[in-house]
Amino acid sequence: NAGVTQTPKFQVLKTGQSMTLQCAQDMNHNSMYWYRQDPGMGLRLIYYSASEGTTDKGEVPNGYNVSRLNKREFSLRLESAAPSQTSVYFCASSERLTGGMNVAKNIQYFGAGTRLSVL
Amino acid sequence: GQQLNQSPQSMFIQEGEDVSMNCTSSSIFNTWLWYKQDPGEGPVLLIALYKAGELTSNGRLTAQFGITRKDSFLNISASIPSDVGIYFCAGVHTGNQFYFGTGTSLTVIP
Repeated sequence: NAGVTQTPKFQVLKTGQSMTLQCAQDMNHNSMYWYRQDPGMGLRLIYYSASEGTTDKGEVPNGYNVSRLNKREFSLRLESAAPSQTSVYFCASSERLTGGMNVAKNIQYFGAGTRLSVL
Repeated sequence: GQQLNQSPQSMFIQEGEDVSMNCTSSSIFNTWLWYKQDPGEGPVLLIALYKAGELTSNGRLTAQFGITRKDSFLNISASIPSDVGIYFCAGVHTGNQFYFGTGTSLTVIP
């Protein structure tokens, strides 16, 4: 049972380079998320996708783009990496984003993270 | 964006001791979640709380949903070395938005 799988696990970029972080989930979840984690800042939401075909900005979207390729996959792209984007990136998924009586369906499950350094 | 206040920021305890940490907010939440993050891994859900006043246990872990719905507590009894990690709280708002705490780093000294 893989859950949420992120690739790559580690990446080093030079300022101005671009790259795409991949995320896939095998739990048939509708909603997917991208977070960044910085020391002392907790988890901050970059973008999320409530369902296949939709994406929305989170708390810190600047410098990022996302694609919900299908129900399973949600990618995060850095078009021109900056040192301020050095962070650990986590993808998460949940059965659904909002609504309904059963809040258990909103619980997010996380991948193992991608450690990105921008020099 | 909204951040939950989690305390303490870090703890160094002796193996066998009990641990308490809490999370507070100025907003009301409908659900409180507690996650543990091992070094180099993503957060893993430990406990979910759905009603004010609810007390839920998972092995040596016990968590409570505060009566005011603005806070939550996590207790770990008889700590062991594998309890080491960062513990995060998360609150689910009325609009089903997730907000995460800044984490409590736990070190257990054998």
